[in-house]
Amino acid sequence: GNSVTQMEGPVTLSEEAFLTINCTYTATGYPSPFWYVQYPGEGLQLLLKATKADDKGSNKGFEATYRKETTSFHLEKGSVQVSDSAVYFCALFSGTYKYIFGTGTRLKVLA
Amino acid sequence: DVKVTQSSRYLVKRTGEKVFLECVQDMDHENMFWYRQDPGLGLRLIYFSYDVKMKEKGDIPEGYSVSREKKERFSLILESASTNQTSMYLCASSAEVWASGSETQYFGPGTRLLVL
Repeated sequence: GNSVTQMEGPVTLSEEAFLTINCTYTATGYPSPFWYVQYPGEGLQLLLKATKADDKGSNKGFEATYRKETTSFHLEKGSVQVSDSAVYFCALFSGTYKYIFGTGTRLKVLA
Repeated sequence: DVKVTQSSRYLVKRTGEKVFLECVQDMDHENMFWYRQDPGLGLRLIYFSYDVKMKEKGDIPEGYSVSREKKERFSLILESASTNQTSMYLCASSAEVWASGSETQYFGPGTRLLVL
């Protein structure tokens, strides 16, 4: 079946540092990759997504490119802020209703 | 602004109690979901519903049931709570499967349940 693997946290960075959170997956069919973010005390919210191979999703300075050949969708940001501290979930949408979520990566950004 | 609300942010219950978790969405979405979130395990789907009175088991339905009597409301029921059901419970909703953007799920803030 489909599965998502993302790097374990926590990741601790200083403000303005470069961020990469790795996400790889195994899938059958043509799933779409997503990144969701969970800020402290809140539910998950969509951060960005891609719908086809080589698509780049972007939002709030975050980017991720859907690499079908490496089955990856790594999240990057050039300069993180304290307000980016959150838990980031990589997910696959396999069509109809179902998502497969990764285990989440906690990011802590220090001032 | 889209909104998914959950009836409680924190709940403490005793083993054997019947527990109701309520979720309401105001987006007229067809699909609603219940997940549990545990450290190191991510989100796991308990049940989902694609229409009123319709439900499907997710990956971990054992010990849970659901009810969807109205489109906007989806309830998760723990028939007899056990300590291994201590967790964060997240409700989500999404538009009908053929609608544009239907893959995006909108989440509530979560209910942290402690079963003693």
